[in-house]
This record gives sequence, structure tokens and C-alpha cells, in this order.
Amino acid sequence: QITLKESGPTLVKPTETLTLTCTFSGFSLSTEFEGVNWIRQSPKRGLEWLALFYWNEDNRYNPSLKNRVTVTKDSSKSQVVFTMTDVDPDDTATYYCAHSSGWTTDLWGQGIPVTVSS
Amino acid sequence: EIVLTQSPGTLSLSPGERATLSCRASENVGNNYLGWHQQKPGQAPRLIIEDASIRATGIPDRFSGSGSGTDFTLTINKLEPDDFAVYYCQQYARSPITFGGGTKIEIK
Repeated sequence: QITLKESGPTLVKPTETLTLTCTFSGFSLSTEFEGVNWIRQSPKRGLEWLALFYWNEDNRYNPSLKNRVTVTKDSSKSQVVFTMTDVDPDDTATYYCAHSSGWTTDLWGQGIPVTVSS
Repeated sequence: EIVLTQSPGTLSLSPGERATLSCRASENVGNNYLGWHQQKPGQAPRLIIEDASIRATGIPDRFSGSGSGTDFTLTINKLEPDDFAVYYCQQYARSPITFGGGTKIEIK
């Protein structure tokens, strides 16, 4: 059974770096075609895909984030870490990590609400 | 990027009726790499259809997906109370992955 859960701060100040962790179980990122996506949702932007950490580390990013986003893996802890630099209030959203097998986003974490405010 | 446009924005239906939701892509979605996700208030989305027409695990057969190229449809037969939610289409044929704006099915 695959599970994913997001953790991290729920309040971040403008210009700071947001770091979120996705802790997962039930699959391995060493297995072919497995991946972990980061997706956010806000009333203004709807659902917005941000990044994908892929099994072969051929990671993908949404170019709209202009190189502000990075995803890395901590294999020893079955975690994927998401970082977004220079946040501003427009980055306020619920952030989800989600499993992919192949390219299909097939299971979502519960999400973590993040507010960017001074 | 591939832009997905969903229609209608809201569907007002009664339990037992059929829902037909549309998702139109700005360009061809290769390999029919299109999914549908259901989201209820306060919950994360849940995959219900992948690759345009394949039901995800545990999804009842009253849900069906069809279409190819740029036009896709989600049909829900005999709506049950649990089906009233927001539905999003998603393409994963080309990066960046994109989502439609959603269709809300509300109780009439």
C-alpha cells in the first residue's frame, strides 16, 4: 500500500526559502518509472504542477517557476525534499506530493497548507 | 504548454442522472495521456481515470472516460450522492504537466 505525507512549515515570510518534505512508503524511487510529483492548489491558480522527481533522476520542473524550485531525494529515509526560493504571497497554496508510476499521477498525499506572509 | 479547458464550469444534476464532462486540449495529447481526478471539499484529489479511459483501482464502472487527440469526456452514469464533487482533467503527455480548471457537479 502506497502512502505519502507532506511536512514542513505552514507559515513562511516573503523572500525566504520554503522547504517541504514528502515521506512515502510502499514503493521505491530506485524502481523503474517511479516518481514523486509536487503540485500546489490555490483559488487563484487552481492546480499547478511544480516538479517531478523521477526514478532515474531525470527530474522535471515547471518553467513558470523560473528556476526557483529544486527536488532532491533522501534515500535512507524514503523522502523527497522540495525547495522553493524567494517566496512571495502569490505562493500561498496547499502543496501536495503525489506518486507517479510512469507518468500517471495516481496517488496524492493529504496536502499541507502554506501561507506566505510577513 | 498544453492548456486544458473544461466545460461546463458547473453541472447541476440530481442523483440517478448522468453527468457528461468535457476537457479540451489546446494541442494533441499524445498517447492519450490524460487523467481525471475527483476532489471533495477538504480532501486531496483522487485519480479516477488514467490514459483517457482506464479506471483507476477501486473506481466503480459507472465512471467512464473516452476521447483522443484534443477532446476528452468523463461520463458518470447514475450519479450517487458520493459523486458530487469537483473533477479535474490532467495531461501528462508533455512537460509541464497541466490541469484543467475543473467542473463542479452539484446537487440540483
